[in-house]
Amino acid sequence: GQQVQQSPASLVLQEGENAELQCNFSTSLNSMQWFYQRPGGSLVSLFYNPSGTKHSGRLTSTTVIKERRSSLHISSSQTTDSGTYLCALSNTGYQNFYFGKGTSLTVIP
Amino acid sequence: EAAVTQSPRNKVAVTGGKVTLSCNQTNNHNNMYWYRQDTGHGLRLIHYSYGAGSTEKGDIPDGYKASRPSQENFSLILELATPSQTSVYFCASGDPGNNNQAPLFGEGTRLSVL
Repeated sequence: GQQVQQSPASLVLQEGENAELQCNFSTSLNSMQWFYQRPGGSLVSLFYNPSGTKHSGRLTSTTVIKERRSSLHISSSQTTDSGTYLCALSNTGYQNFYFGKGTSLTVIP
Repeated sequence: EAAVTQSPRNKVAVTGGKVTLSCNQTNNHNNMYWYRQDTGHGLRLIHYSYGAGSTEKGDIPDGYKASRPSQENFSLILELATPSQTSVYFCASGDPGNNNQAPLFGEGTRLSVL
């Protein structure tokens, strides 16, 4: 069955608003990654975060292993944040990732 | 600079034809991966490799073969292409010994099978 579930599936924000993206997983994990994908583009890693909280600029990722969830918080959203955000987990050491279906974010000016 | 290069970037094939998607990495990574991305399914792993000469089945290998002739190159082969294989295909390379480093992805190949 589905190992990684993301919510919401899509989100529209006014520029300057904050966003909270969720990722829930049904299996143990060895590695948790958040990726960003521009429409029609490749995937770019945002965070490696198997546990705890990490910050990068306006982005914050929090992973709580015992609750089997990870979140990505975007503060003060900008139009350039528009795109798809994907979480992916691996439960082995070989980086064979299972991806969620992604959250499509649109930020309007 | 680390890179994963896919070719072709776009491909139109006919049903029953043979299609080969190529991937080259300059990262000296042992592991390489082929994923497909479809609306409603996210990315799904087709085949992967631990190094030259090795290929392993991923979650959806049916209808696909893979070849890893060298550390740098990893190909995905559709012997008899079908319309259900119309998708965007991504290649990636990774270092399994370093979970701090995410796999690096290519730009994708958009395949249409008519």
